[in-house]
Amino acid sequence: NAGVTQTPKFQVLKTGQSMTLQCAQDMNHNSMYWYRQDPGMGLRLIYYSASEGTTDKGEVPNGYNVSRLNKREFSLRLESAAPSQTSVYFCASSEWGPNQPQHFGDGTRLSIL
Amino acid sequence: SQQGEEDPQALSIQEGENATMNCSYKTSINNLQWYRQNSGRGLVHLILIRSNEREKHSGRLRVTLDTSKKSSSLLITASRAADTASYFCATGSDNYGQNFVFGPGTRLSVLP
Repeated sequence: NAGVTQTPKFQVLKTGQSMTLQCAQDMNHNSMYWYRQDPGMGLRLIYYSASEGTTDKGEVPNGYNVSRLNKREFSLRLESAAPSQTSVYFCASSEWGPNQPQHFGDGTRLSIL
Repeated sequence: SQQGEEDPQALSIQEGENATMNCSYKTSINNLQWYRQNSGRGLVHLILIRSNEREKHSGRLRVTLDTSKKSSSLLITASRAADTASYFCATGSDNYGQNFVFGPGTRLSVLP
């Protein structure tokens, strides 16, 4: 039982490049989330998907897009990477909504030069 | 928006001692959750306490919630080196993701 799987684990991009971070969960959860974590700060919500077919902006959505591909998968896309997007990105899922325990992947460490 | 703020930012104790971390928030909440993060890993859910609960236990963890003071504490008893991690509180006022907020965390070091 893998839980939440994120790929890739590490990535280095040049400014202006695009990429997609992948996330999949095998717990049959309805809700999924993308967070970023910067040094000395808690997690900040980028986008979330309350259920399959829905997505909503979080606190810091600018520069990102998401796709809830199916119930299992939730991807995060950077269309034109900027150095300010250097961060660790975490995907999480919960059964229904954020007020239930969230299960996290181990993160993608993204550096943008 | 509401925000959990942990206190202290960093805590260093000896193995066997108790560790207490505090969390304060600004607005009414539905529940409050505590998470642990080991270095280089994702967050792991520890305990959830609802707004109508005052205290909850899970193994060596004890969480209290005082809604009148808008604060919570996490107590880890008889700490072990393996408890070395960052601990985060998170609060939600409803079931919308935008209103669920993590604090900046307390970094706990347990020295053998």
